[in-house]
Amino acid sequence: DTGVSQDPRHKITKRGQNVTFRCDPISEHNRLYWYRQTLGQGPEFLTYFQNEAQLEKSRLLSDRFSAERPKGSFSTLEIQRTEQGDSAMYLCASSLGIAGNEETQYFGPGTRLLVL
Amino acid sequence: SQQGEEDPQALSIQEGENATMNCSYKTSINNLQWYRQNSGRGLVHLILIRSNEREKHSGRLRVTLDTSKKSSSLLITASRAADTASYFCATDVGGSTLGRLYFGRGTQLTVWP
Repeated sequence: DTGVSQDPRHKITKRGQNVTFRCDPISEHNRLYWYRQTLGQGPEFLTYFQNEAQLEKSRLLSDRFSAERPKGSFSTLEIQRTEQGDSAMYLCASSLGIAGNEETQYFGPGTRLLVL
Repeated sequence: SQQGEEDPQALSIQEGENATMNCSYKTSINNLQWYRQNSGRGLVHLILIRSNEREKHSGRLRVTLDTSKKSSSLLITASRAADTASYFCATDVGGSTLGRLYFGRGTQLTVWP
């Protein structure tokens, strides 16, 4: 499978627990994006990486959220001390990352998080 | 606030009919993209139209862009039950945020067999 993959696909956790999601982008893609989508809404941008550098973070990404892309390949998104408001679908996308070019972003299947 | 807004929020048609969805946005853009999302799944890219383009076709899809009105439309011709999904427009405003996409709330399309 040469698409974007995400793991796990579903996660149920109790309020206050930490969770970590993983995203594996398309192998030659330099850019990696995280979005969050709540029911009935479109995806909202969280952060993105150019190779291993985190270039932009949304105000939505509170101090409890951290994302990494240590070797410029896969990425992890960790949420500490989860709250019920964190319940959402977390989507990862990747693109080639050619400087100055608009590009198609290819999305993974998402990780659906439910915080009880 | 989200950049794009789709209209209508929901659309219900019979197989074989055409479906038209509209998207309005607020600021200048570098490009506009349309995505499809089946229930509970990831997004599938349909088409990208650049700010200097006015119309683009891909199979049964036709996208138009009117930058003077800050609007776009997606036309699906000869719809099929398999086209049932949510459709989102997303804008890339370019500049320092090149690549960051702003999505609308989507149009839920239901195609009845």
